[in-house]
Amino acid sequence: DIVMTQTPLSLPVIPGEPASISCRSSQSLLDSDDGNTYLDWYLQKPGQSPQLLLSTVSYRASGVPDRFSGSGSGTDFTLKISRVEAEDVGIYYCMQRIEFPWTFGQGTEVQIK
Amino acid sequence: VQLVESGGGLVKPGGSVRLSCAASGFTLNDHHMTWIRQAPGKGLEWVAYITISGTTTYYADSVKGRFTISRDNAKNSLYLQMNNLRVEDTAVYYCARIYWPIDYWGQGTLVSVSS
Repeated sequence: DIVMTQTPLSLPVIPGEPASISCRSSQSLLDSDDGNTYLDWYLQKPGQSPQLLLSTVSYRASGVPDRFSGSGSGTDFTLKISRVEAEDVGIYYCMQRIEFPWTFGQGTEVQIK
Repeated sequence: VQLVESGGGLVKPGGSVRLSCAASGFTLNDHHMTWIRQAPGKGLEWVAYITISGTTTYYADSVKGRFTISRDNAKNSLYLQMNNLRVEDTAVYYCARIYWPIDYWGQGTLVSVSS
């Protein structure tokens, strides 16, 4: 199975400041057949079900603010928030779907400092 | 788009439960579907996947042979039959729509396995 490792696991942030979460996979998420990299990001706000933020590394889902961006390739990926807002608190998960079983990172809890 | 899970509750180890997920606001038979769970205070764990036709399914090793995912497109419903339940199956179970990626999640239903 592909192991997804996120760092840090806890991230205190100051509103208006940038924040960054790293996600590393145990093998490449690049599909050589179609050229896509199957790494997605989800946010689970307190008391809610997860919501899609970014798909295939960097494509923002509908309604996701442009302060969220994704980058990376192969096995190393990053989610960046350019200026954190209070509504961004929650647990962020990366997930790979290049092969079954789909696997998630442990989650990174973002809280306001 | 709305996904509403039901069927959760308290069940004894070794018991069975069938979860349902009612889809509305979209046509179920346009989408592959999946179940994902979250143990209390823990992270997300993918459980099962089913194609639009229902002919192809995949399972996490932790549930293979005990859980069965199925669907009834005419009823706009997704199911998860859970047999031989274990204490470690205790979790909130989410059904989710796949539009490459998973783009919508239900609110989840809690299954508690305890004697």
